[in-house]
Amino acid sequence: TQLLEQSPQFLSIQEGENLTVYCNSSSVFSSLQWYRQEPGEGPVLLVTVVTGGEVKKLKRLTFQFGDARKDSSLHITAAQPGDTGLYLCAGMRAGGTSYGKLTFGQGTILTVHP
Amino acid sequence: NAGVTQTPKFRVLKTGQSMTLLCAQDMNHEYMYWYRQDPGMGLRLIHYSVGEGTTAKGEVPDGYNVSRLKKQNFLLGLESAAPSQTSVYFCASSYGGGASYEQYFGPGTRLTVT
Repeated sequence: TQLLEQSPQFLSIQEGENLTVYCNSSSVFSSLQWYRQEPGEGPVLLVTVVTGGEVKKLKRLTFQFGDARKDSSLHITAAQPGDTGLYLCAGMRAGGTSYGKLTFGQGTILTVHP
Repeated sequence: NAGVTQTPKFRVLKTGQSMTLLCAQDMNHEYMYWYRQDPGMGLRLIHYSVGEGTTAKGEVPDGYNVSRLKKQNFLLGLESAAPSQTSVYFCASSYGGGASYEQYFGPGTRLTVT
């Protein structure tokens, strides 16, 4: 069973549409990170959220950490073809010493058509 | 700076063969990680290291060994490759293990075991 459930797994939309990707768990996380991965490359960090209820904005991307620090969402406004890629959420478990170990969701493959 | 580099980029092995994947980072990071990425599974942690000379098991360590003899290098070994180890392998490094530390990923090694 996946500790972090990410949905949807696939998203195919037209340029200009809005979308939301969800990352849910029954476990509490000390932080939640969102990465973006292009084909043939490694993931690149977009944002880290550490406080329950925290909202961060990165241009057209809005990231939210749930109040209970068990879930997160990524919202993209007016998607563009350049947003196409694999989006991954990754959480650092709360409690004890994590040594930076991340648990990843399954990923969301986003395709934005011109 | 090159960041995180991985060698080789691609490799095909026959069942039972052995190989070593090399990861190198030039950012003076203490923490290093090895992940595997399979379709629909996100990234799963194989082994990690919190400093030179130290290693620890991650989520899926069976069939793999690691060594961190130098701070900048983290080696992943497969002693007897199996088809189930066909995957894309990513190395990552981080300055620290706290909740807000970013992991920097290499470009990946695509391994096929026949």
